[in-house]
This record gives sequence, C-alpha cells and structure tokens, in this order.
Amino acid sequence: KNEVEQSPQNLTAQEGEFITINCSYSVGISALHWLQQHPGGGIVSLFMLSSGKKKHGRLIATINIQEKHSSLHITASHPRDSAVYICAVRQGNLIFGKGTKLSVKP
Amino acid sequence: DADVTQTPRNRITKTGKRIMLECSQTKGHDRMYWYRQDPGLGLRLIYYSFDVKDINKGEISDGYSVSRQAQAKFSLSLESAIPNQTALYFCATSDSGGSSYNEQFFGPGTRLTVL
Repeated sequence: KNEVEQSPQNLTAQEGEFITINCSYSVGISALHWLQQHPGGGIVSLFMLSSGKKKHGRLIATINIQEKHSSLHITASHPRDSAVYICAVRQGNLIFGKGTKLSVKP
Repeated sequence: DADVTQTPRNRITKTGKRIMLECSQTKGHDRMYWYRQDPGLGLRLIYYSFDVKDINKGEISDGYSVSRQAQAKFSLSLESAIPNQTALYFCATSDSGGSSYNEQFFGPGTRLTVL
C-alpha cells in the first residue's frame, strides 16, 4: 500500500472552475508539502503545513492531522494552472505521492 | 540566475558507461538531495547530505554514488549505467534553520537516457 495516496490521478476542468485535489497518508508526519511540477518538468514548492490552512493567491491548502488528509484547492482556475500537483509528507525525509495531473481548458 | 542548477540537462549514454550528474546551489543551504522520477511513480530519494561530511543512502541508492565536494555542490554518479536508470533526476536543497526551514528547492532536472 502506498503511504501517500492522491486523488484524482487526472483532472480536467474548464477555466473558472473550483478545483480540489486530495491527499491521504498512512504514516505519522511532521509536515505536509504541496508541490507543482510544470509541463517542462520544473518543480516548485507551493505550501508546507503541519496544521490548519494556508492561502496564497488563488491556492488554498488544508490539512486534518487526525484524519491524515490534506486538500489543495484552486479557485477561479486558469489554463496556466495546468500542471502536476504533488503531495509529499515529511517523516524524516519526504515521501511523495504520484501526483495529480491537472488540465484546465479555456 | 537559478538558485539550484543541474548539469547536464539532458544526457544519452550507453549501458556500462560511467556518468556524473552535477548539482550546484547559491542558496547557502546545508542540506542537499538527489531524487529520481519515473513515469507513474512518485519522486524517490537516492541519496542525501546534511552537510559536507554527512552522506546518507536513500530509498534507492543501489547503483549510485554521490560526492559532496563543497556545501554548494553535490554530484551523483552512475558507475555503470543500465537501461532501468533511465529517468528524470532532480537535485534539491533545504535549510536546517531559518524562515524556509525544511522547504525544499528543486533544480530543473536532468533527463537521462541509458541505451
């Protein structure tokens, strides 16, 4: 069983839609990271959180430690949000999910 | 200029060849990592280093070796490349303290093909 599960694996949305990507994990963690991998391959860190909620622009990340679950929300999605979104949990080093491929159509 | 750089960005090599991937950073971070990414799989840790004198094996270190030549440089070597080492390789850095503590910063990746 994978220690970090993301859903959905693939997601297609229309521009302007509200998007939710989910991450569930099965191990004790000290923090959870959300990363974005651009179509060209580069990876950037979006959020690192250990409790509650964080917001940056149109992106919101939440975590429920008791339920071992995190969500990444994108409001008013735009084609430039098209990317692979990766959840990773910190248990010493990072353990990565397989990613969710998001495509936002104009 | 990019904070974390990797060379080469693309490399095609043959089975049995020795190859080195290099990573340099200007962020002043003490921790550096090498990951590989395969289609359909998450990033997996190959080796990591918390300072110049500290080298640790990750999840998939077999067939790889590393060298931390300086705080800013961390190299990954494939002593005898094999086709199943074909993958996208990422270097990353993090800081053991400060405002960005434990946030990882990734290089642009090296696409390696072993024929």
